[in-house]
Amino acid sequence: DAGVIQSPRHEVTEMGQEVTLRCKPISGHNSLFWYRQTMMRGLELLIYFNNNVPIDDSGMPEDRFSAKMPNASFSTLKIQPSEPRDSAVYFCASSMPSTQYFGPGTRLTVL
Amino acid sequence: DQQVKQNSPSLSVQEGRISILNCDYTNSMFDYFLWYKKYPAEGPTFLISISSIKDKNEDGRFTVFLNKSAKHLSLHIVPSQPGDSAVYFCAASATGGFKTIFGAGTRLFVKA
Repeated sequence: DAGVIQSPRHEVTEMGQEVTLRCKPISGHNSLFWYRQTMMRGLELLIYFNNNVPIDDSGMPEDRFSAKMPNASFSTLKIQPSEPRDSAVYFCASSMPSTQYFGPGTRLTVL
Repeated sequence: DQQVKQNSPSLSVQEGRISILNCDYTNSMFDYFLWYKKYPAEGPTFLISISSIKDKNEDGRFTVFLNKSAKHLSLHIVPSQPGDSAVYFCAASATGGFKTIFGAGTRLFVKA
């Protein structure tokens, strides 16, 4: 099994640009999670899906962030417009059920 | 409101000695607890877990202890090895809930 796959691994963009992060969960897992890791706040849950349906998006910082899961094998996290304070490592994880398996993360830098 | 707290941002231990990482939680509904280990430039990986019906779970050099009355759990690593140097996250969840709450992490340094 390839594990959770995230792309890109690194993204450098300028303030105001749209950023799209991608995730492919482990086949058969029915829950998918997006996290953000920063030095100040550690690992924050942004949103999670169960059976492709968003269950809780209360961790999404603001309307500039949106996430979709059009099918069981793909999810996106979009930031539009991006800001320097969005710079962080973004992780996707999948589970079935309790133990989550994380992808390698996307390191986002917004200049 | 942090429901899962790791109050020590870092810990330094000599190789061969015991490492003890601590975690406190506030939500009494949590009944499943996990520890994850994270190396730089990698995602967190599952290490060990414990259900609230137990007070101890052991896997090789790693043991997790749960004190439900104190809402406290700890991870013991014996003996510590330089390869154990990483960030350790404590996490908790409730039965029927999909959400797992993570602590801020403790960075462990094991000195050779």
